[in-house]
Amino acid sequence: DAGITQSPRHKVTETGTPVTLRCHQTENHRYMYWYRQDPGHGLRLIHYSYGVKDTDKGEVSDGYSVSRSKTEDFLLTLESATSSQTSVYFCAINSGRNNEQFFGPGTRLTVL
Amino acid sequence: GNSVTQMEGPVTLSEEAFLTINCTYTATGYPSLFWYVQYPGEGLQLLLKATKADDKGSNKGFEATYRKETTSFHLEKGSVQVSDSAVYFCALSEITGKLIFGQGTTLQVKP
Repeated sequence: DAGITQSPRHKVTETGTPVTLRCHQTENHRYMYWYRQDPGHGLRLIHYSYGVKDTDKGEVSDGYSVSRSKTEDFLLTLESATSSQTSVYFCAINSGRNNEQFFGPGTRLTVL
Repeated sequence: GNSVTQMEGPVTLSEEAFLTINCTYTATGYPSLFWYVQYPGEGLQLLLKATKADDKGSNKGFEATYRKETTSFHLEKGSVQVSDSAVYFCALSEITGKLIFGQGTTLQVKP
């Protein structure tokens, strides 16, 4: 258990509303990641962070922003949610050993 | 760019059957390779890993060997159980630490 929690675990929202998902870790890992999981696509990287206030884009970053003001928290924001952002979102940390990543339990987001 | 390709599922087996899930990769350099497992309604768990050519990762009866010559990392288990029913993901790590995942293979084991 890498001490990763995500909140909320489930959310239903409407198109055009802002949504923020939170990832919290308790073990002071430097690298954190946000992925989305969709059928037929596996997991795709949205954004990642390599330290406080240090973030970068992944392969599917359009429509998403992130922030990391503390080591333990990594926030993912959908400024104006669209139906195409309906997905399951996973947060992960890099353990620092051979690039092993450990995942949170996920957030299921539905945009109506 | 780097990529991972897994065999398409679903894979349906009877209990105690032999399992192979194929995984091939394209990468520059020598990435670490991983298998993750996702049980229904849960997040991904690291199942096993290999960090260099000819390494064999193993865990819970599952094995995979890092084959540089065939750029493969096939997952095997000699005798599957109903409790192995899950989605299995092959992944490689880029030099930056980012993971590239295959599309996942669903395994269903019937009693």
